[in-house]
Amino acid sequence: QVQLVQSGAEVKKPGASVKVSCKASGYTFTTYGISWVRQAPGQGLEWMGWISGNNAKTNSAQNLQGRVTVTTDTSTSTAYMELRSLRSDDTAVYYCARDRVTPRDVGLSDYWGQGTLVTVSS
Amino acid sequence: EIVLTQSPATLSLSPGERATLSCRASQSVGSYLVWYQQKPGQAPRLLIYDASNRATGIPARFSGSGSGTDFTLTISSLEPEDFAVYYCQQRSNWPLTFGGGTKVEIK
Repeated sequence: QVQLVQSGAEVKKPGASVKVSCKASGYTFTTYGISWVRQAPGQGLEWMGWISGNNAKTNSAQNLQGRVTVTTDTSTSTAYMELRSLRSDDTAVYYCARDRVTPRDVGLSDYWGQGTLVTVSS
Repeated sequence: EIVLTQSPATLSLSPGERATLSCRASQSVGSYLVWYQQKPGQAPRLLIYDASNRATGIPARFSGSGSGTDFTLTISSLEPEDFAVYYCQQRSNWPLTFGGGTKVEIK
């Protein structure tokens, strides 16, 4: 069965970086993409970025460009999301989700990880 | 970026009643509109894709309609497990965007 297992909760200081991992199983990793979505406490969903499973293409939210990098390691079927220059308003649950592999088909997140809480606090 | 406005913010209904949720886009998204359900402490769940197609395993009481800028998610008869928050998302243009959500609560 398809599973996405994310790394554990993190506590970071303002200005630091965080890297969240998302290990996929139960499907051929390179034939799908991974989207990243975050949710601040008590708030709605915010799309952050997407990467194809073979690392060929990426796209990220403009308001995060320059601070977020999404990558994959196809040898371990793992996706990563790194967010730099953390601020207190980056405190959120970060989700990875299986998505489509081609840019024009992105936005169909059918399986989700369990979420990773990232807390930014001095 | 495309802004999605969901209404109402909260819908108070009883089990067995019909729920009608709205999502309006700031510009046309064609049929590239997706609906997710989220329960407290859980990840979102894909319900409807491309305006009207039920995802795998989604009960027939969930249906979606609309195109262009106006979309509707209908739950024909609410079951106890349907009380949750529902989000629409457009996948027509980068960046992908979500609506603010509609909470369906027990009256």
